[in-house]
Amino acid sequence: DIQMTQSPSSLSASVGDRVTITCRASQSISTYLNWYQHKPGKAPNLLIYAASSLQSGVPSRFSGSGSGTDFTLTISSLQPEDFATYYCQQSYSSPFTFGQGTRLEIK
Amino acid sequence: EVQLVESGGGLVQPGRSLRLSCAASGFIFDDYAMYWVRQAPGKGLEWLSGISWDSGSIAYADSVKGRFTISRDNAGNSLYLQMNSLRPEDMALYYCARDRSAYNWGDAFDLWGQGTMVTVSS
Repeated sequence: DIQMTQSPSSLSASVGDRVTITCRASQSISTYLNWYQHKPGKAPNLLIYAASSLQSGVPSRFSGSGSGTDFTLTISSLQPEDFATYYCQQSYSSPFTFGQGTRLEIK
Repeated sequence: EVQLVESGGGLVQPGRSLRLSCAASGFIFDDYAMYWVRQAPGKGLEWLSGISWDSGSIAYADSVKGRFTISRDNAGNSLYLQMNSLRPEDMALYYCARDRSAYNWGDAFDLWGQGTMVTVSS
């Protein structure tokens, strides 16, 4: 199975900050990498698919990059509604594993 | 409205069984692969199982293989998860989710339900 490792596990930042979250796969997954935002009591929300494609309706301050084993999610200017937990997920081969999550908190 | 609604969760004793359902509406259910994902209390998302649009491809996480069975009823627009030999560590909020692309297997999940809670305790 492919293991997904995110860093950091938690992050404190302020409104307006630029934030980057990293995800590393245990083997090459090309660009089969997705990012989700998850808030308590809500369903997870797809942000980025295929490493860098912005899901419809997602603000352009979210962007993704990477290929192979190393990927990043960047939020260019944090907004109050962005404080949540973020997960990467590989869709290269089943089981389609998630990273452990990165909790983004208000500083 | 395009939505997924899970049901069937509840309190169950260790070793017993439970069947979760996911009712789909607002889209052509037959065209999409479907998945189950769970989140244990205080933990992250865990991918559990998936089934292709035609049930030709099915996969499970090691943690549930041999105990859980995924199935679908395309005529009834429903997805199921039969959970046997439940353990305390299976206690979680269980989500169903849809593949982003029709006739695909293993893309991102663009539609999620609100989840159904399963509690395993004696």
